[in-house]
Amino acid sequence: EVQLVESGGRVVRPGGSLRLSCAASGFTFDDYGMSWVRQVPGKGPEWVSGINWNGGSTSYADPVKGRFTISRDNARNSLYLQMNSLRAEDTAFYYCARNGGATNWFDPWGQGTLVTVSS
Amino acid sequence: SYVLTQPPSLSVAPGQTATFTCVGDNIGGHSVHWYQQKPGQAPVMVVFDDSDRPSGIPDRFSGSNSANTATLTISRVEAADEADYYCQVWDITSDRPVFGGGTELTVL
Repeated sequence: EVQLVESGGRVVRPGGSLRLSCAASGFTFDDYGMSWVRQVPGKGPEWVSGINWNGGSTSYADPVKGRFTISRDNARNSLYLQMNSLRAEDTAFYYCARNGGATNWFDPWGQGTLVTVSS
Repeated sequence: SYVLTQPPSLSVAPGQTATFTCVGDNIGGHSVHWYQQKPGQAPVMVVFDDSDRPSGIPDRFSGSNSANTATLTISRVEAADEADYYCQVWDITSDRPVFGGGTELTVL
């Protein structure tokens, strides 16, 4: 069974840092690009960042560019998101998702981890 | 940036057909993917590339895409279909994925 499990979400002060992890299983991890997608409760999903199969290519949404860093460790079947200079507007559920196809769908998604930025 | 517009809500009686729309400029030139999200759960893809279904998704779910509107149709709606539904495309201009704001389906 393909499974993605996120961890690392917690309450953090504005300006603080946090590292999210996503453990993948049930598929050949280094065959796929991966992404982080966040969602404020009651709102639609917002793509945050993506990485190709070997980590050689990364991309970021404008609101997080320069503050967040995506990375992966294929030996550990793991995806990461280093989040620095956190702001209140970064508060959301953060999901990792497997990229699919030439048209870039997301399937499956992990269960999500909640990041709350508050003083 | 590319914008996808979805009506916020849709109500359908059990056994009837639910039709969701996703409007975008020349969306017919994009491949559209649809996700179902039940309360407290992660999104699940129900249609990809306009009209293909992942394994395990019932054939009651179907999709189409033309001109400025993509459509997700659920036939013979069941109570278990009650959820939020989101459309998504890859924006060629920004080279980024874009999601619609979602439609909440209420089964009466």
